[in-house]
Amino acid sequence: KQEVTQIPAALSVPEGENLVLNCSFTDSAIYNLQWFRQDPGKGLTSLLLIQSSQREQTSGRLNASLDKSSGRSTLYIAASQPGDSATYLCAVRDYGGSQGNLIFGKGTKLSVKP
Amino acid sequence: EPEVTQTPSHQVTQMGQEVILRCVPISNHLYFYWYRQILGQKVEFLVSFYNNEISEKSEIFDDQFSVERPDGSNFTLKIRSTKLEDSAMYFCASSPSGPNSPLHFGNGTRLTVT
Repeated sequence: KQEVTQIPAALSVPEGENLVLNCSFTDSAIYNLQWFRQDPGKGLTSLLLIQSSQREQTSGRLNASLDKSSGRSTLYIAASQPGDSATYLCAVRDYGGSQGNLIFGKGTKLSVKP
Repeated sequence: EPEVTQTPSHQVTQMGQEVILRCVPISNHLYFYWYRQILGQKVEFLVSFYNNEISEKSEIFDDQFSVERPDGSNFTLKIRSTKLEDSAMYFCASSPSGPNSPLHFGNGTRLTVT
């Protein structure tokens, strides 16, 4: 059964720092991996989707990497800003079921201090 | 940018009552989902829906739950007889095609069962 783990559970950094969030998964049979942002009491905003055949994806200050064989992904945030404060969720779409469903980690709560 | 819309944003109901949570997926999407997040826990898959039928459901999605696409735009989740443990944030999501496409989530409905 697929398990997704995110470390650390919480992270506090000063504004301007570059930072890395980690995600690991137990079964490498995945279609893709998706990173989301969740603000308190709000929905999930999709940040990046990496297909299983890809190594990384970039969007603005965000860069996500995928190493499927080792079951790891990282989300790199450059020059962090207070507006980046949120919980970041990693989810894998695995081969289980008819079309695969997203299996989420518990998230990393990021706080960027001005 | 098109988005998934959920109503209501917050619903309070008494134990044993029926509730219907409503979603309007993105118009050209073909796959629809419900997920839930109990406070402090991971986002969990409930059900996926394609071609007017359930394509997959989790163990959580028992006989108390049902989904329907009553017309060309709405997608609903019904809980027949709510329990205290059904209190959670319920997220609707849609995707344009199969497992290689990203899921787009709504802002969620917070269900409180008293």
